[in-house]
Amino acid sequence: SQTIHQWPATLVQPVGSPLSLECTVEGTSNPNLYWYRQAAGRGLQLLFYSVGIGQISSEVPQNLSASRPQDRQFILSSKKLLLSDSGFYLCAWSAGGEAFFGQGTRLTVV
Amino acid sequence: GENVEQHPSTLSVQEGDSAVIKCTYSDSASNYFPWYKQELGKRPQLIIDIRSNVGEKKDQRIAVTLNKTAKHFSLHITETQPEDSAVYFCAASIGSNYQLIWGAGTKLIIKP
Repeated sequence: SQTIHQWPATLVQPVGSPLSLECTVEGTSNPNLYWYRQAAGRGLQLLFYSVGIGQISSEVPQNLSASRPQDRQFILSSKKLLLSDSGFYLCAWSAGGEAFFGQGTRLTVV
Repeated sequence: GENVEQHPSTLSVQEGDSAVIKCTYSDSASNYFPWYKQELGKRPQLIIDIRSNVGEKKDQRIAVTLNKTAKHFSLHITETQPEDSAVYFCAASIGSNYQLIWGAGTKLIIKP
């Protein structure tokens, strides 16, 4: 069966520090991969999606970047965090239908 | 761009009553419509979905209806229980990769 791993679950980082969130998927090949951000009490904002290795589409101009170095690995990065980067980050995968979410990372930038 | 509108943003119902959440979508080519439930601090999880070749689907107390002509679909929860309290998101697929466009969410509150 397929599983998705996302870590860490919580993260507190100072303003101006770098960020790296990792997501890996098991049990499937060539999944569509997504990074979402969710502000408190708000909806799902799509940040990046990828349909294959090295193929990244950015939905919202921001202080973040994404990479897909391997088929089932998706990384969200920032060189310098802003206070406004705080939120709940969710990785997800799909194969043309249902989206499966990771546990999420609650990022607090202080 | 394509979008999905979801209403209401907050819904408060008495325990045991029914709840209905509605979504409209803009892309007439959309053919997959899932509903997700997100409990506080947790990940969204699929509760029911429907494809464009059917008009209604039921799973115990939950049902989804789809009107392709009007481009809207609805979630129906009957005999609501306290554990139904959560935020519910609808979505519609776009493109050949089935990317999902999400509604803004509905906070469902079940009053005891």
